[in-house]
Amino acid sequence: GNSVTQMEGPVTLSEEAFLTINCTYTATGYPSLFWYVQYPGEGLQLLLKATKADDKGSNKGFEATYRKETTSFHLEKGSVQVSDSAVYFCAPSLGNTPLVFGKGTRLSVIA
Amino acid sequence: DAGVTQSPTHLIKTRGQQVTLRCSPISGHKSVSWYQQVLGQGPQFIFQYYEKEERGRGNFPDRFSARQFPNYSSELNVNALLLGDSALYLCASSGGTGVISGANVLTFGAGSRLTVL
Repeated sequence: GNSVTQMEGPVTLSEEAFLTINCTYTATGYPSLFWYVQYPGEGLQLLLKATKADDKGSNKGFEATYRKETTSFHLEKGSVQVSDSAVYFCAPSLGNTPLVFGKGTRLSVIA
Repeated sequence: DAGVTQSPTHLIKTRGQQVTLRCSPISGHKSVSWYQQVLGQGPQFIFQYYEKEERGRGNFPDRFSARQFPNYSSELNVNALLLGDSALYLCASSGGTGVISGANVLTFGAGSRLTVL
């Protein structure tokens, strides 16, 4: 089945710093890959997705590229803001299986 | 348009009791999924329903059950509560065709936080 390993948090960055949150997955096929974000007190929201190899998902300045050769989907942002403080979840989904979420990486951005 | 709504937002129960959590999907969405999120962990899949039928079940005991109504709203029931059932229970809806598919984007509600004492 699918599994996912995310970078351990928490991650604390200063405003305008560069962000990378690593995510690697295990799957028997070619899953669709998602990043979800959970802001304090809220449910999860889709941040971005990629459905095939070499696709790049992007949203709100965040990007992640589907790397089949390294089974990775690392999340990046060039310049983080305080409002990006949240928990980020990587999630692969293969065919007719439900999403499998990573443990989440908490990001705190300080002004 | 209203998003996915869940009720209650918070509740406290004691061990052995039963709880019912409710979810209303986005208008037009026929598929509802339930996830359990223990503090500090990612959400774990419990159930998916489509057109009132169970389409998927995660690795949870039979104490957990769910159903979906003709208006596509859903209830999650947990019997004989244990301390370990304390968690945020998330409901998500999607506009898919009922097949659990990686292409289906889930829209989550804010969750029901259950505390078992």
